[in-house]
Amino acid sequence: ERVMTQSPATLSVSPGERATLSCRASQTIGSNLAWYQQKPGQAPRLLISGASTRATAIPARFSGSGSGTEFTLTISSLQSEDFAVYYCQQYNNWPLTFGGGTKVEIK
Amino acid sequence: QVQLAESGGGVVQPGRSLRLSCAASGFTFSSYAIHWVRQPPGRGLEWVAVISSDGINKFYTDSVKGRFTISRDNSKNTLYLQMDSLRTEDTAVYYCARAISGTYRITDYWGQGTLVTVSA
Repeated sequence: ERVMTQSPATLSVSPGERATLSCRASQTIGSNLAWYQQKPGQAPRLLISGASTRATAIPARFSGSGSGTEFTLTISSLQSEDFAVYYCQQYNNWPLTFGGGTKVEIK
Repeated sequence: QVQLAESGGGVVQPGRSLRLSCAASGFTFSSYAIHWVRQPPGRGLEWVAVISSDGINKFYTDSVKGRFTISRDNSKNTLYLQMDSLRTEDTAVYYCARAISGTYRITDYWGQGTLVTVSA
């Protein structure tokens, strides 16, 4: 099973600042990585697939990069609605696996 | 609009069974693979199972193999998860999620979830 490790666990950022979230795979997964956003009491929402392709209606301030084992989600200028938990997920191999999440909180 | 609505959650004793349902609307259900993903209270996401659009292909995470069965009724636009031999560690919110057209592996729309509590 591919183990996905996210860092940091919590990221404190001021509105308008840049946030950089990391995700590492235990073995190579190519570009088969997705990012999801989850707000309290809500279901996850797909942000990015293929490591860097934004999903429908996702703002351009969200960008993804990386391949192989190292991936990054960048939020260029945090808006109030972006404070949430973010999960990476690999879909290169069964079983599909998620990282433990990064909580982005207001500094 | 695409909608997924889970039901069937509740409190159940260890070793007992429960069946979850996911009613779909707003899209051609029979054309999409569908997943179950769970989330223990206060914790992260865990993928559980997926079923192909025609119901033939199914994949499960190791911890539920032999205990959980995913199925679907395309005539009723409904997905199911039969959960047998439940354990306390199965306690979670269970979400159904639609896979993106043409792939099994990436989900786009999710339901709001149903809570399963396994407790004596």
